[in-house]
Amino acid sequence: AQTVTQSQPEMSVQEAETVTLSCTYDTSENNYYLFWYKQPPSRQMILVIRQEAYKQQNATENRFSVNFQKAAKSFSLKISDSQLGDTAMYFCALTSGGTSYGKLTFGQGTILTVHP
Amino acid sequence: SQTIHQWPATLVQPVGSPLSLECTVEGTSNPNLYWYRQAAGRGLQLLFYSVGIGQISSEVPQNLSASRPQDRQFILSSKKLLLSDSGFYLCAYLDRGLNQPQHFGDGTRLSIL
Repeated sequence: AQTVTQSQPEMSVQEAETVTLSCTYDTSENNYYLFWYKQPPSRQMILVIRQEAYKQQNATENRFSVNFQKAAKSFSLKISDSQLGDTAMYFCALTSGGTSYGKLTFGQGTILTVHP
Repeated sequence: SQTIHQWPATLVQPVGSPLSLECTVEGTSNPNLYWYRQAAGRGLQLLFYSVGIGQISSEVPQNLSASRPQDRQFILSSKKLLLSDSGFYLCAYLDRGLNQPQHFGDGTRLSIL
């Protein structure tokens, strides 16, 4: 079985500053993918960024970047120049290859509040 | 372009009543389909997934069932709702190929009275 752990239930940051959300995972598969999803108060699930395990280069999407440490099974999300619209719950998720059929395993989430 | 529709957005039902939530996908063929439930302030729990018409796999034992009568239609049902069925239900689809992330519908907020 695979697991995803987010150890920070809540985080806060001032507008324009940088914040890092932590995520650790466990899987016995060699081929897997990691994602960060954002869930704003509207509760829509929005993909923020994804990382293929076979790629050593950390993924980047505008102000969002990850620090993927495969040996440590760590996948943190860094948000630079935080904006008020970044206020949301953030979920780390994992899917494996093989017969997983793309099923996602989610962490418990981190509530991020950006203060003006 | 691909889109996913889920309805209704909000539903209030009495205990013991039946349930039917519907999800449809456009712009893709033969997707994997998923139903998740999210309790208040918690993560998402996978309830069912389907890799084809009539093929349903259940992840957790529960009071709910799922069906896939058409390629791009996924239905979540119950014959008699329990209080514990309250929550936020999300449908998602995945294009074949694991490098594609799941895309989610807007969700249904279900309250059981």
